Amino acid sequence: QVQLQESGPGLVKPSETLSLTCAVSGYSISSGYYWGWIRQPPGKGLEWIGSIYHSGSTYYNPSLKSRVTISVDTSKNQFSLKLSSVTAADTAVYYCARENSGSYSLGYWGQGTLVTVSS
Amino acid sequence: QSALTQPASVSGSPGQSITISCTGTSSDVGGYNYVSWYQQHPGKAPKLMIYDVSNRPSGVSNRFSGSKSGNTASLTISGLQAEDEADYYCSSYTSSARVFGGGTKLTVL
Repeated sequence: QVQLQESGPGLVKPSETLSLTCAVSGYSISSGYYWGWIRQPPGKGLEWIGSIYHSGSTYYNPSLKSRVTISVDTSKNQFSLKLSSVTAADTAVYYCARENSGSYSLGYWGQGTLVTVSS
Repeated sequence: QSALTQPASVSGSPGQSITISCTGTSSDVGGYNYVSWYQQHPGKAPKLMIYDVSNRPSGVSNRFSGSKSGNTASLTISGLQAEDEADYYCSSYTSSARVFGGGTKLTVL
């Protein structure tokens, strides 16, 4: 059974960099699939942030591209998100997920982690 | 890259059928058969209900079905049950990116 678990600071100061990690169990990232990050501001809808292939190829939301970096560490079986120059608008629950092969649908999700941007 | 358009809310009585629409453009919904639908209960992670327009993952009730016509995709839930009350989001592939709809709150009366 594939399981994903987000971790990272729950509070980040404005203008700093948000960093989250998604630990994967039950499947080896190096075996394939796209792995993605999605966020949801409190009371609002879902927003796709970006995805990374096991080989390291990345695809980002054009509206966030200048501030986002997604990387993969196959030795630790995890992938990470960095979002720079954060503001209060980046306050959200951040989810990591695995895309189904050839479908671009998100079949496995982490439980999500709330990140608040505040001084 | 604009969000897909969904109605803010829909409602129905137990046993009835409802349909949620998801309107995009020829660059996303209309251009690819990669529309998916997610169900989200309060405080929970989204759950995949439909992928590739009309396919159901294993374990999802056959009361859920999907379709597409032109730039608009639809999710139909038949035989509404109380546990179907949730938020529903559509999503589509678009030019190496992915885009979500704004979400629809389903109320079971």
